[in-house]
Amino acid sequence: NAGVTQTPKFQVLKTGQSMTLQCAQDMNHNSMYWYRQDPGMGLRLIYYSASEGTTDKGEVPNGYNVSRLNKREFSLRLESAAPSQTSVYFCASSGTVSTETQYFGPGTRLLVL
Amino acid sequence: KQEVTQIPAALSVPEGENLVLNCSFTDSAIYNLQWFRQDPGKGLTSLLLIQSSQREQTSGRLNASLDKSSGRSTLYIAASQPGDSATYLCAVRRGGGSQGNLIFGKGTKLSVKP
Repeated sequence: NAGVTQTPKFQVLKTGQSMTLQCAQDMNHNSMYWYRQDPGMGLRLIYYSASEGTTDKGEVPNGYNVSRLNKREFSLRLESAAPSQTSVYFCASSGTVSTETQYFGPGTRLLVL
Repeated sequence: KQEVTQIPAALSVPEGENLVLNCSFTDSAIYNLQWFRQDPGKGLTSLLLIQSSQREQTSGRLNASLDKSSGRSTLYIAASQPGDSATYLCAVRRGGGSQGNLIFGKGTKLSVKP
């Protein structure tokens, strides 16, 4: 039982390049989330998926797109990376959006030059 | 807009000391509150979750309390150990269903010295 896994662990992009961050969970959770963590800003929600087939915007969705590929996988795409998107990205999952603990992956460190 | 504040931002204590970490939130209409631990370069680990109807939760040396009316929660760590050194994050959930997103504080960085 690996919990929540994220790939890659670290990535360097040039401004304007695109990339997809991958996330998978093996806990049969319904809900999945993408956060970014920046110094002095704390963790902020980018997008979430309450259940398979649904996605909703969080606090900071601009510049990102998501896909809930199936119940296990939730990907985050940067279509045209900007230096402001340099951050640590965390994926999380929970049984439901409302009541249950969120379990976090180890994070992806992204540097946009 | 819900805001979560954690004071102090950093705390250093000698091993064995009992300590309290503070979390305050501006809107008392929360669904639940969670405390997380984050080690350097790692993801978050959930420590305790308190539902809005509860006053406290305990796990081992950790005890978290919730006072919704005053907008405050505390995390009590008994007999601190160097292995407790980490950043502790508090997060509140605004509501159920699609309103269930977590709003995080910026954390308290704890250092326990041998």
